[in-house]
Amino acid sequence: DQQVKQNSPSLSVQEGRISILNCDYTNSMFDYFLWYKKYPAEGPTFLISISSIKDKNEDGRFTVFLNKSAKHLSLHIVPSQPGDSAVYFCAATPNTDKLIFGTGTRLQVFP
Amino acid sequence: GAGVSQSPRYKVAKRGQDVALRCDPISGHVSLFWYQQALGQGPEFLTYFQNEAQLDKSGLPSDRFFAERPEGSVSTLKIQRTQQEDSAVYLCASSLGSGGSTDTQYFGPGTRLTVL
Repeated sequence: DQQVKQNSPSLSVQEGRISILNCDYTNSMFDYFLWYKKYPAEGPTFLISISSIKDKNEDGRFTVFLNKSAKHLSLHIVPSQPGDSAVYFCAATPNTDKLIFGTGTRLQVFP
Repeated sequence: GAGVSQSPRYKVAKRGQDVALRCDPISGHVSLFWYQQALGQGPEFLTYFQNEAQLDKSGLPSDRFFAERPEGSVSTLKIQRTQQEDSAVYLCASSLGSGGSTDTQYFGPGTRLTVL
């Protein structure tokens, strides 16, 4: 069973606009959530995280929102830039060390 | 400083062959993880080391998979009698501390294994 789900395999956004990537999870034991970004032929790179005791975390152009009651989190990128084009993975962990990843969303930012 | 490195970057094996994949973590990182990423999927956890101790191997798909980290630094993932379903990218990650969910994992570029 897929405990972390990213239902949109791809997203296309114009440069300067907001990109919103979504993620749903099923395990209520998850207490920490992360977003990783992946370029082709490279490993995933950590982007931003949020603890289950918060509902928002912001870092520059990137903001992650957590809605625990809905078991949903989202990543907002504003303004979007062409260099943001990559695959974005949502991940979660139940207070352990292993990360459980979603299947990824491919973001394309066009001029 | 140097990041996590993995070798080889690409490996082609004939079905039934044994393979060994190497991971060099970031210097000083205590924790080391192996993940398997099949095409079109997210990474899936295989196993976790804290120094030389293998604390969790619950994700290893079969007894053909074996991982070691004998001196608490470099790690090797070995797959015996490879099968076509083993074809995937194998990712290694390391983190600084002694564990805990908030410890950032830094990933290597991965080894793409193709079993013919």
